Amino acid sequence: DTAVSQTPKYLVTQMGNDKSIKCEQNLGHDTMYWYKQDSKKFLKIMFSYNNKELIINETVPNRFSPKSPDKAHLNLHINSLELGDSAVYFCASSQVGAFYEQYFGPGTRLTVT
Amino acid sequence: RKEVEQDPGPFNVPEGATVAFNCTYSNSASQSFFWYRQDCRKEPKLLMSVYSSGNEDGRFTAQLNRASQYISLLIRDSKLSDSATYLCVVRPGGTYKYIFGTGTRLKVLA
Repeated sequence: DTAVSQTPKYLVTQMGNDKSIKCEQNLGHDTMYWYKQDSKKFLKIMFSYNNKELIINETVPNRFSPKSPDKAHLNLHINSLELGDSAVYFCASSQVGAFYEQYFGPGTRLTVT
Repeated sequence: RKEVEQDPGPFNVPEGATVAFNCTYSNSASQSFFWYRQDCRKEPKLLMSVYSSGNEDGRFTAQLNRASQYISLLIRDSKLSDSATYLCVVRPGGTYKYIFGTGTRLKVLA
């Protein structure tokens, strides 16, 4: 029943490792997003895909690479993790024309030690 | 100037009180407006979209003033469960990008 789901919910890893976060939405939306929320609670957009095409690519280190295998999935791969990558990463989706309302996944809390 | 500005609060109000939040935005081409609430350690959840003529959902009323570029949220008869951070969100026209304010923290006291 979950509209936007993410895995894993928690991720604890060491500096230098590579990790992936997965997101799936069953709302039939055509646009998906990755946001980062840091310790100051500010939500910052990182990437967005519309129909599998990258449409937003904010100033993010190229260690972060999104991938959208289809409209319902958007994954985030992070190489060479750094301490500063510790944050909560939210996936979201929206549909063009449907008032553009955006729905969020439960978040992945990443801790880099 | 930030693209979307909110008073961070916290607003501490007693149960049953009426509380109002304002949010200003800088891009006059903004087309979609929303209020989200975010509980501690949870995802933002859509509270309501804000329509040009204003809209109401139960105890919540949202207003849009395009001329002055602000939106407001009024909460009547506050409940303890209304305690959360309220995020103002704006989408400029012709973009897929959503601009989030930093949020206003509300604490409803018993």
